[in-house]
Amino acid sequence: EVQLVESGGGLVKPGESLRLSCAASGFTFSKAWMSWVRQAPGEGLEWIGRIKSKSDGGTIDYAAPVQGRFTISRDDSKNTVFLQMNSLQTEDRAVYYCTTVVERLGYWGHGTLVTVSS
Amino acid sequence: EMVLTQSPVTLSLSPGERATLSCRTSHIVTNYLCWFQQKPGQAPRLLIYDASNRATGIPARFSGSGSGTDFTLTISSLEPEDFAVYYCQYRDNWGVLTFGGGTKVDIK
Repeated sequence: EVQLVESGGGLVKPGESLRLSCAASGFTFSKAWMSWVRQAPGEGLEWIGRIKSKSDGGTIDYAAPVQGRFTISRDDSKNTVFLQMNSLQTEDRAVYYCTTVVERLGYWGHGTLVTVSS
Repeated sequence: EMVLTQSPVTLSLSPGERATLSCRTSHIVTNYLCWFQQKPGQAPRLLIYDASNRATGIPARFSGSGSGTDFTLTISSLEPEDFAVYYCQYRDNWGVLTFGGGTKVDIK
């Protein structure tokens, strides 16, 4: 069974940093492309970035609102993908999900809440 | 840049009625168009992938259709648990995900 479990969310002040983790199981993680998606309260879904598998080059791409502030990385030995978020702003407040596609099916974690407030 | 436009924004129906949700893409899509259901406080749940294939465990009352730039999610007869927000999503060959704005199906 494919499982994605996010962790690391919490309350931070504007300008601070936070690192989210997504632990994966039930599929060959090293071959998977992993994405992060966020959802602000009462809003829709917003893709924020993706990391390819190392065998596909390991390329990382970001959405414009987070480019230069957020960094995605992966540790295939731990089946985990990370989202390092720096210079957090109030508009970054959201539930953050990791997601992937396995055999054409999309899987999502339960999400982790990030609150940015002074 | 791909844009997905969902309509209507809100659909007010009664249990047992048929729901028809639309997703229009700004560029032609050949595959990787899917539909998700989301309930309050929950993660999105995959319903349909590749435009018309039901995901594992999804009831037959959910069906997807369409091609090119126009796609439809149909719920043939609404059950009480179907009242939720529905999103369409496109994934390009580089793994960039684009979402529609969502359609909320609520009880009339």
